[in-house]
Amino acid sequence: EIVMTQSPGSLSMSLGERATLSCRASHNIAISLAWYQLKPGQSPRLLIYGASTRVAGVPGRFSGGGSGTEFTLTISSLQSEDIAVYYCQQYHEWPSRTFGRGTKVAI
Amino acid sequence: QVQLKESGSQLAKPSGTLSLTCEVSGGSVSSNFWWTWVRQSPEKGLEWIGEVSYAGTTNYNPSLKDRVTMSVEKTWSSNQFSLKLDSVTAADTAIYYCARATRGSGFNDYYGLDIWGPGKPVTVSS
Repeated sequence: EIVMTQSPGSLSMSLGERATLSCRASHNIAISLAWYQLKPGQSPRLLIYGASTRVAGVPGRFSGGGSGTEFTLTISSLQSEDIAVYYCQQYHEWPSRTFGRGTKVAI
Repeated sequence: QVQLKESGSQLAKPSGTLSLTCEVSGGSVSSNFWWTWVRQSPEKGLEWIGEVSYAGTTNYNPSLKDRVTMSVEKTWSSNQFSLKLDSVTAADTAIYYCARATRGSGFNDYYGLDIWGPGKPVTVSS
């Protein structure tokens, strides 16, 4: 089973700063990776799939990168509405599409 | 615009069965998507439970597969998919979400969970 490890567990940033979140897969998953944003009291929101393809309507300050076992989600200039927990999800290996444990982004 | 909404009991008894349904509106459950269940708890964050296609193909989280059953129901009066989780314990207490993923022909021909229901909190307690 593929295990997804996200780091750091939490990140405290200032508004306007660049935030870099990491996600590591225990095995090669090519680019079979998605990123989600989860705000308190809301449902998760898909941000990126295919490691780097941004979903329509997601602000351009969000970008994804990486392949194989190492992936990043970058928020180029942190806004107050970006405060959330961010999860990565792999979908490479049948039968499971596992999530990481999440990175909490705070101001 | 497709919308999803979970329904079912908010309380399940230990060793009993948790049953939830996800109503699909603005679209058809017979379309080519993966209809998915995900849960959220403070201990584990988001946990993928499994998915079902209209044709009845299922994929389950290996850690839950012995207790999980998913199905799709499409009739003149229903357009929904469902989750049953057997032998529940307090560890199954969570917010349960239904969601939709666009799919292709292979397992990893997948475009993420782009539509989600609002979530249904479920507590396992006697």
